[in-house]
Amino acid sequence: EADIYQTPRYLVIGTGKKITLECSQTMGHDKMYWYQQDPGMELHLIHYSYGVNSTEKGDLSSESTVSRIRTEHFPLTLESARPSHTSQYLCASSESTIFNEQYFGPGTRLTVT
Amino acid sequence: AQSVTQLGSHVSVSEGALVLLRCNYSSSVPPYLFWYVQYPNQGLQLLLKYTSAATLVKGINGFEAEFKKSETSFHLTKPSAHMSDAAEYFCAVSPSNRDDKIIFGKGTRLHILP
Repeated sequence: EADIYQTPRYLVIGTGKKITLECSQTMGHDKMYWYQQDPGMELHLIHYSYGVNSTEKGDLSSESTVSRIRTEHFPLTLESARPSHTSQYLCASSESTIFNEQYFGPGTRLTVT
Repeated sequence: AQSVTQLGSHVSVSEGALVLLRCNYSSSVPPYLFWYVQYPNQGLQLLLKYTSAATLVKGINGFEAEFKKSETSFHLTKPSAHMSDAAEYFCAVSPSNRDDKIIFGKGTRLHILP
C-alpha cells in the first residue's frame, strides 16, 4: 500500500543533542516537504525538495537541515536541539503534476528539555 | 501573492446540525483549492479539492465545498454533524499556472456538542 511514514512518532530529548527525523514515502513522488506546526496552530513550511539532490528552504526560517539522496527518503536533522525546537514536524509528498495535492505523514512530536 | 483566510479559529455545532466552515482566498490566477482535516496527533488528510472542473466538490465523510469565484470563497459544509467530525480543518490554495507550493490557512477547530 502506498503511504508516507515518519519515525519516531514521539521524541523527548535533551538540549544540545543531534537528532534526525525520518520521512519515507512509497508513492514515487518527486516533491517532498517538511512543515513545523505548534499545537493548534497553522503549518509553516520549513524545507522542500522537488527531486533527488534538490532542497530548498521554506517560508519559516529553521535551524534544521535536510537531504534528498533517494527519491523516497527526506530526513530532517537538527545538529543541536534547543527547547525552541519543541514542536510537531509533518512530512508531506506530492506528485509532479500541477494539481499539487499533498499527502501527509502522521507527524513527529518533538520535545526538547 | 496568494493567501487564505479562514473565518473563525473555533466553531461549535450540535450533533446533527449543519456544519459550515468558511474559507476565502486571494489569488491573481485561477487557483486550485483544498480542504484538509487533521485529527489529534495525526497528519493532515485530504477531504476534497477543486481543480477548475465542477464548482461543487464532494469529498469524503459527507463533506462538500462550493467554489464561488465572485465571492473568492470555498466554504466547507456538511448537512449533519457527527461526533467523529471533531477535528482541525485547514483550507489551502495553490496557483494553477505554475509549479508552486500550497499555502495553508490558519485552521478552524470544529467542536461537536452532544
